[in-house]
Amino acid sequence: DAKTTQPNSMESNEEEPVHLPCNHSTISGTDYIHWYRQLPSQGPEYVIHGLTSNVNNRMASLAIAEDRKSSTLILHRATLRDAAVYYCILKQSTSGTYKYIFGTGTRLKVLA
Amino acid sequence: NAGVTQTPKFRVLKTGQSMTLLCAQDMNHEYMYWYRQDPGMGLRLIHYSVGEGTTAKGEVPDGYNVSRLKKQNFLLGLESAAPSQTSVYFCASSGSGRQGEQYFGPGTRLTVT
Repeated sequence: DAKTTQPNSMESNEEEPVHLPCNHSTISGTDYIHWYRQLPSQGPEYVIHGLTSNVNNRMASLAIAEDRKSSTLILHRATLRDAAVYYCILKQSTSGTYKYIFGTGTRLKVLA
Repeated sequence: NAGVTQTPKFRVLKTGQSMTLLCAQDMNHEYMYWYRQDPGMGLRLIHYSVGEGTTAKGEVPDGYNVSRLKKQNFLLGLESAAPSQTSVYFCASSGSGRQGEQYFGPGTRLTVT
């Protein structure tokens, strides 16, 4: 199975942009890149996903490298509520079924 | 819309006891998943199901069994609990499309003494 590599932790000041990197050098052509975040004592929640093109939604932007071996989650203005563990995940397709491979995530600390 | 619910929220078992964790979703999703999360770690897939009546093994299936008798429910069983199964268990569901995201339940904190 392909894997993802993320920094263990990052810090950001409130109201500044945050760029969370992820390496997935063994990604397959059909694997989608998903990002989830997990607030303390909660289940993960979906943030954004993409395949090849950059994506934007109300929560964040996802920038995907041209070779798809890395991606970056961008929070445009970090707030204290964005402090969480962010997981970069590959959604893999095998014989018509799908699996999500979680890494260990990046713990984001937002400073007031 | 309750989304994904899990029962119970907390449980303490003695070594060798058995129990069943229940996951229910009301979004008519085809796919359901059971994960475990150990302290400071990411989630690891235990078992998953791609539809009613089907189940498949994930990364760490040993010591667990699952059943999907109804589309909305996915049960995780521990036949003989061990201290190594102390963890937080999360259930999730997703649609069958290639892009669909997962929706997670609030988790069950299990301690085996």
